[in-house]
Amino acid sequence: AQSVAQPEDQVNVAEGNPLTVKCTYSVSGNPYLFWYVQYPNRGLQFLLKYITGDNLVKGSYGFEAEFNKSQTSFHLKKPSALVSDSALYFCAVRDLGDMRFGAGTRLTVKP
Amino acid sequence: DTEVTQTPKHLVMGMTNKKSLKCEQHMGHRAMYWYKQKAKKPPELMFVYSYEKLSINESVPSRFSPECPNSSLLNLHLHALQPEDSALYLCASSQVGQGNQPQHFGDGTRLSIL
Repeated sequence: AQSVAQPEDQVNVAEGNPLTVKCTYSVSGNPYLFWYVQYPNRGLQFLLKYITGDNLVKGSYGFEAEFNKSQTSFHLKKPSALVSDSALYFCAVRDLGDMRFGAGTRLTVKP
Repeated sequence: DTEVTQTPKHLVMGMTNKKSLKCEQHMGHRAMYWYKQKAKKPPELMFVYSYEKLSINESVPSRFSPECPNSSLLNLHLHALQPEDSALYLCASSQVGQGNQPQHFGDGTRLSIL
């Protein structure tokens, strides 16, 4: 079965510094990988996806993600973090109809 | 603004009450989903509708009863819930059979069982 793992419960960064939120995957065949963000009292918002092609995927709000097949990773990155990026981030893999989510990583950006 | 609308935003009910959660989307998606999310946890899939027919029921207790009256609407009928059912209930939609497409989520209904 397809699955993703987020090894960090919490990531703390200072405003203006680069951020990375880690995700590793386990899939058979070609993976369909996604990143979502959840702000307090809101639903999940789609950030970006990897289907095939370029290993660097650009998404919303200045986020990007790097697909690495040899390391089976799909880390979310942003060159310069904002306080408003503080939220809960979920990596996910689409397996036919199902969307399987990682446990989530809470990102805190401090001024 | 989200393209998937859920009502009500908050719901407090007793264990003997009957209530319904509603979800609406106008993106032409023919797959719709109900998820349950506990605090600081990922969403857990409950039900999947494909072309208005129930295709997946993840062993959800019968006190939760889904309904898909048309391609834009999805309901979740609640009866005799337990305190552990208190959670955020999320609705999502997507294209059918398009594994490379994301699911689009509403902002959820926060349910509290007294």
